[in-house]
Amino acid sequence: EAGVAQSPRYKIIEKRQSVAFWCNPISGHATLYWYQQILGQGPKLLIQFQNNGVVDDSQLPKDRFSAERLKGVDSTLKIQPAKLEDSAVYLCASSSRTEAFFGQGTRLTVV
Amino acid sequence: AQSVTQLGSHVSVSEGALVLLRCNYSSSVPPYLFWYVQYPNQGLQLLLKYTTGATLVKGINGFEAEFKKSETSFHLTKPSAHMSDAAEYFCAVKGFGGQGEGAQKLVFGQGTRLTINP
Repeated sequence: EAGVAQSPRYKIIEKRQSVAFWCNPISGHATLYWYQQILGQGPKLLIQFQNNGVVDDSQLPKDRFSAERLKGVDSTLKIQPAKLEDSAVYLCASSSRTEAFFGQGTRLTVV
Repeated sequence: AQSVTQLGSHVSVSEGALVLLRCNYSSSVPPYLFWYVQYPNQGLQLLLKYTTGATLVKGINGFEAEFKKSETSFHLTKPSAHMSDAAEYFCAVKGFGGQGEGAQKLVFGQGTRLTINP
């Protein structure tokens, strides 16, 4: 069974630029999560999808972050414009019922 | 709502010694509980989970955890530490029931960095 795929693995951008991350979940998983993990902290949930509907986006900074899940499968997370404090690892995970399976993450550095 | 508190951001033990990582949770509904491990520059890997049934659960790499409802705890243990256990460990909670598992948030603690001394 293929795992959760994320790309790119690393990205360096200047502040005020835009960036997009892509996630392909495990086939058949209805739930998809995007987390932000700042160095030395636990993952913070940004947005959770159930199929292609948003379940929770209460911690998503909607003035600069956006996310969509196309046809209930792949998902993209976008930041525009980026700030220095957005430097973090962005983790995508998918779940069928209980546990979530994580991708390798995208390490974003904003300079 | 769910929340997780991991006691101790950094734990250091000697190789061969007992590993004990502490986790307390709060949940407004019966919880699913998880421990994940994260190695440098990698995603999170599931160590073990509690859903229902037996409160002592065994996971990979010799780890186990016990769900204690009265103490709202889910501490992770391993009898004998190995150098390869050095990593970051995260406890997580997810409620079940209500609108269904897909509608329940998966909330993580702040993590505990485990160091193994030779």
